[in-house]
Amino acid sequence: DTGVSQDPRHKITKRGQNVTFRCDPISEHNRLYWYRQTLGQGPEFLTYFQNEAQLEKSRLLSDRFSAERPKGSFSTLEIQRTEQGDSAMYLCASSQYKTSGREDEQFFGPGTRLTVL
Amino acid sequence: GESVGLHLPTLSVQEGDNSIINCAYSNSASDYFIWYKQESGKGPQFIIDIRSNMDKRQGQRVTVLLNKTVKHLSLQIAATQPGDSAVYFCAENTPMRDDKIIFGKGTRLHILP
Repeated sequence: DTGVSQDPRHKITKRGQNVTFRCDPISEHNRLYWYRQTLGQGPEFLTYFQNEAQLEKSRLLSDRFSAERPKGSFSTLEIQRTEQGDSAMYLCASSQYKTSGREDEQFFGPGTRLTVL
Repeated sequence: GESVGLHLPTLSVQEGDNSIINCAYSNSASDYFIWYKQESGKGPQFIIDIRSNMDKRQGQRVTVLLNKTVKHLSLQIAATQPGDSAVYFCAENTPMRDDKIIFGKGTRLHILP
């Protein structure tokens, strides 16, 4: 399977615990995005990387959230001290950005569904 | 599987009929628009895109129409099939936002047998 993969697919945790999600993008893609999607809404941008550099973080991303892409390949999203309001689907997407023009389409992974009890 | 968008606007269409899903956008600077399909338990899937220098683009069974005057986008699906059941999102992008896309609210397409 050469698409975007995410692990785990589902995570149930108690309030106050830390959780970490992983995203493996399409191998040749240099951009990787994290989104959050709550019920009834479209995905909301959280942050993105170009190669290993984190270029922007949304105001939605509180200090409890941190994302890394250490080698410019897979990425992790960690949420510390989870709150019930963090319950959502966390989506990862990747694309190939060309400096000569606009990026190609974003390919999304299946998401990680987080439930905070 | 997961259900995305329990309280979304819903469009019910008879199998075999054509579907038209509408979207209004607000940023006149947006120059790139995308339609995504999201099935239950899956991430959004790219359907078709259009740039602002065009007003119509056709794909396989899908057509996107762009009316920049009224900032309106539509997705037409010909001969709707049961597999078209999903939530459909329009998304927009502006150069000033460094190619990040902004999703609109979705529409659930329900196919009647």
